[in-house]
Amino acid sequence: GENVEQHPSTLSVQEGDSAVIKCTYSDSASNYFPWYKQELGKRPQLIIDIRSNVGEKKDQRIAVTLNKTAKHFSLHITETQPEDSAVYFCAASSNYQLIWGAGTKLIIKP
Amino acid sequence: NAGVMQNPRHLVRRRGQEARLRCSPMKGHSHVYWYRQLPEEGLKFMVYLQKENIIDESGMPKERFSAEFPKEGPSILRIQQVVRGDSAAYFCASSPSQGEQYFGPGTRLTVT
Repeated sequence: GENVEQHPSTLSVQEGDSAVIKCTYSDSASNYFPWYKQELGKRPQLIIDIRSNVGEKKDQRIAVTLNKTAKHFSLHITETQPEDSAVYFCAASSNYQLIWGAGTKLIIKP
Repeated sequence: NAGVMQNPRHLVRRRGQEARLRCSPMKGHSHVYWYRQLPEEGLKFMVYLQKENIIDESGMPKERFSAEFPKEGPSILRIQQVVRGDSAAYFCASSPSQGEQYFGPGTRLTVT
């Protein structure tokens, strides 16, 4: 079955710098890759997603890239702000079930 | 369009009691997913349902746990004879089809 690995588990960056979180997946049939942000005590929220027919997608300060050959995808956050502090989860899916990464705790240092 | 609703938001049960968690999907969404999350951990898939059908319950313990999504009304996750290890946040998500999932606020279950 599908397996998703996410790195790093914790990432600390200076406010204003960029943050990159990486995920790899094992099932070449996976075709949908969402990213969720979860603030402490709150629900996971979809922030961006990408499908396998696209290599890159951008939404303001957030971008996701997908390398199907290497089976990895990454989340890029530019000009980080304090409100970006949260846990970020990647996921991969080939049907209905999302297989989740273990999460990355992003800390923005003032 | 209201988002995914869950109630109660917090539930305290003594060991051996039953817990009932409710989830109302977004309007127009016919796919419901239940997840469990322990503190400082990721989301663990439990069950996927469509109206009146359980599609995949591979993540749900065989005993004490059950889920339903009736033709009318919310989806319900039921935990019978709760134990301390059942204490967790239980999130429900819905989607219009297979794809993006939208999460409810969660139910935090505490077993004393």
